[in-house]
Amino acid sequence: DGGITQSPKYLFRKEGQNVTLSCEQNLNHDAMYWYRQDPGQGLRLIYYSQIVNDFQKGDIAEGYSVSREKKESFPLTVTSAQKNPTAFYLCASNRGGVGGAFFGQGTRLTVV
Amino acid sequence: SQQGEEDPQALSIQEGENATMNCSYKTSINNLQWYRQNSGRGLVHLILIRSNEREKHSGRLRVTLDTSKKSSSLLITASRAADTASYFCATDATGANSKLTFGKGITLSVRP
Repeated sequence: DGGITQSPKYLFRKEGQNVTLSCEQNLNHDAMYWYRQDPGQGLRLIYYSQIVNDFQKGDIAEGYSVSREKKESFPLTVTSAQKNPTAFYLCASNRGGVGGAFFGQGTRLTVV
Repeated sequence: SQQGEEDPQALSIQEGENATMNCSYKTSINNLQWYRQNSGRGLVHLILIRSNEREKHSGRLRVTLDTSKKSSSLLITASRAADTASYFCATDATGANSKLTFGKGITLSVRP
């Protein structure tokens, strides 16, 4: 079955640590996105990629990094520079401006 | 910055009633999309309307788009308790690096 998979579902991070959230899709979509969701804030765009080996900063990219070495994969690293990383992170993909987006089930990151 | 702004922020209706949600946006768009999110889950794409369309239907959903007012509405007819969720509008802006930008969402509660 085609879909988009995020892992892990829950992640705990100690202060000062970098962590990487996984996002994989087998939908053959060119575009992939990372969003952060906080209560009352809706979805805020962190990074997006329209094509392999290329990505752009979204509205809240500071403290995050991404790579897009393969079409299927768009991992997000939350670095120690992100001062308030506790949030629900959502990954999505679509055919680059054509059609709706498919979302993963999210990763809930908590700093302990 | 969040492109779309939905209103109302919260809506509570009785089962069987219609629910109308509105979205306003700021820049030129290729299309506007509506999504649904159940608590703690990923978003599910409901319907997409292109910038050259004025109205679209899908089952109990009706979406309108007024590009002159930069606004859209989502109507859910004959609501059910299972429609209880958060609803988001998202815009795919025109331009070389089109990206999908979401509003803060509307919380819909349908009372049985």
